[in-house]
Amino acid sequence: KAGVTQTPRYLIKTRGQQVTLSCSPISGHRSVSWYQQTPGQGLQFLFEYFSETQRNKGNFPGRFSGRQFSNSRSEMNVSTLELGDSALYLCASSLGQRGNEKLFFGSGTQLSVL
Amino acid sequence: AQSVSQHNHHVILSEAASLELGCNYSYGGTVNLFWYVQYPGQHLQLLLKYFSGDPLVKGIKGFEAEFIKSKFSFNLRKPSVQWSDTAEYFCAVNAINGGSYIPTFGRGTSLIVHP
Repeated sequence: KAGVTQTPRYLIKTRGQQVTLSCSPISGHRSVSWYQQTPGQGLQFLFEYFSETQRNKGNFPGRFSGRQFSNSRSEMNVSTLELGDSALYLCASSLGQRGNEKLFFGSGTQLSVL
Repeated sequence: AQSVSQHNHHVILSEAASLELGCNYSYGGTVNLFWYVQYPGQHLQLLLKYFSGDPLVKGIKGFEAEFIKSKFSFNLRKPSVQWSDTAEYFCAVNAINGGSYIPTFGRGTSLIVHP
């Protein structure tokens, strides 16, 4: 089975721009969640999608949004980029949404905002 | 809001030493608990998890963790570490609230094991 695939691997953007990150979950997984990882804050939960619906959301501003398609692939969008958005963005997939399933993580997208 | 504290940010051990990494969380309701590990150059992967039953759970590679509800703790242990255990370790808590949950991760503990 292929693992969780995130594209692109690296991104460089400037302040004010917007960016879209993509995540393809493991085949058969219906839940996709997104995390921001920084050295100072660690891993912070952004949101989670299950069957094309956002079911859980962390404490991030509305500039961070996402969606999930019928094939479970997910995209995350960040608008009006700020320097503080520079981070590794991780996607994880799991079979369901009960909160006790194992998460399978991708390699992440390293976003640098200049 | 719930939080997860990992008290040791950096741990350095020699091979065969015993390991205990602390993890405490703040949430009074139902929780699911996890330890993830990230080996150098690899993805985060699950070490072990607890959601019900025996509070002492065993994971991969000889790791175990004990859930102590009264102390809001889920410490990770290994009796004898190996050089290959060098990695970043993350404690995670899913605070269950009705049908939804919010995953919260600790900031991680960097473990270096000297051969």
